[in-house]
Amino acid sequence: FILTQPHSVSESPGKTVTISCTRSTGSIASSYVQWYQQRPGSSPTTVIFEDDQRPSGVPDRFSGSIDSSSNSASLTISGLKTEDEADYYCQSYDISSQVFGGGTKLTVL
Amino acid sequence: EVQLVESGGGLVRPGGSLRLSCAASGFPLSSYNMHWVRQAPGKGLEWVASINSASSYKYYADSVKGRFTISRDNARNSLYLQMNTLRGEDTAVYYCAREAIDFDFWGQGTLVTVSS
Repeated sequence: FILTQPHSVSESPGKTVTISCTRSTGSIASSYVQWYQQRPGSSPTTVIFEDDQRPSGVPDRFSGSIDSSSNSASLTISGLKTEDEADYYCQSYDISSQVFGGGTKLTVL
Repeated sequence: EVQLVESGGGLVRPGGSLRLSCAASGFPLSSYNMHWVRQAPGKGLEWVASINSASSYKYYADSVKGRFTISRDNARNSLYLQMNTLRGEDTAVYYCAREAIDFDFWGQGTLVTVSS
């Protein structure tokens, strides 16, 4: 299956942005979705795991959800800060493979 | 402190081979499934291969199947990726990553450049 994300999104500081991740085949609910943040020159870090869980240390401005009707997952970042500017990747899996979305570049301007 | 440190990257000609290593510290490697993930310059993340804790299951992306081999030595706390018949499209930063519920720890990556 393929996970499709928008190539880029932009929003102003203090606003809220939502990044979508649509699964091509199979149910979005059939396997957990994770979200990773990658800043330039750095390795990815987890901001959401198991669809909607936040690792310790990730601000509650970050939230995740899934929507079976659209077969998609979403990452929502509220109260945007300039430090949130980064690439964001969704990730899920099946029995024998891991799949990453193509990534979304978030610009906070 | 959990650390993953990749090594072995470099410049290699098309058709050549390279072996990447990932040294793990701060946790028992034997307790975790491990993965290789790559990122071509300016591109997104691509899962490459995975291996379970006992090395009884190994899975590969279609793009590398038959050319790459993942392995591990739990006694040496090390993960490996043997890459053969390399192509230009294999040029990327290669990360090793630990699987918990998510990929909870990543190395800093090692750059592989395939070019003549």
